[in-house]
Amino acid sequence: QVQLVESGGGVVQPGRSLRLSCAASGFTFRSYGMHWVRQVPGKGLEWVAVISNDGSNTHYGNSVKGRFTISRDNFKNTLSLQMTSLRPEDTAVYYCAKDGGWSGYDFKDVWGQGTMVTVSS
Amino acid sequence: QSVVTQPPSASEAPGRSVTISCSGSSSNIGRNAVDWYQQLPGTAPNLLIYNSNERPSGVPDRFSGSKSGTSASLAISGLQPEDEADYYCATWDDSLNGWVFGGGTKLTVL
Repeated sequence: QVQLVESGGGVVQPGRSLRLSCAASGFTFRSYGMHWVRQVPGKGLEWVAVISNDGSNTHYGNSVKGRFTISRDNFKNTLSLQMTSLRPEDTAVYYCAKDGGWSGYDFKDVWGQGTMVTVSS
Repeated sequence: QSVVTQPPSASEAPGRSVTISCSGSSSNIGRNAVDWYQQLPGTAPNLLIYNSNERPSGVPDRFSGSKSGTSASLAISGLQPEDEADYYCATWDDSLNGWVFGGGTKLTVL
């Protein structure tokens, strides 16, 4: 079955870095765009970043631009999010999500279960 | 404050119908399709409507979506207790060059 499993969350101090991963299975990973979406517990969804199927095109939300980098390994069926200069306001559950198409401009039809990132001293 | 606005809450009795609105602008809803997501308590979001009015397989036809101008709506008929959830609209914004989510609507089925 189609599945996304995030990992890499945890507690990190402000200013430090953290790398999240998302393992994909059950579909042709290299054919689809992929997203990261985050959610502060008890609050709404915030889109973080998207990458096209071949990694050639990326876009970021304004709150993470210049600090976060989305990437993918189509041989290992893995999506990553490198987060640097972390701030307390980056504390959230981070979800990876599959796009409905190759570009990342379609809907998000499969979501992982999320991984919690806490930025605190 | 999101560039796409939803009412924070809605409520209706079982068996009745409810409509949730999503208001945007010419740079987002006015030019692009709208998707709707349902998030049950303690779970990840789930795609409910895509391309403004299409349902993924497995989504009951009690759920329907529409779009007109710079606004979109999600309609739920024959409300059931299990429909109690948070609902989010989402669309691409050409000015921001990114995706935007509405703030979410908490639906209570009384």
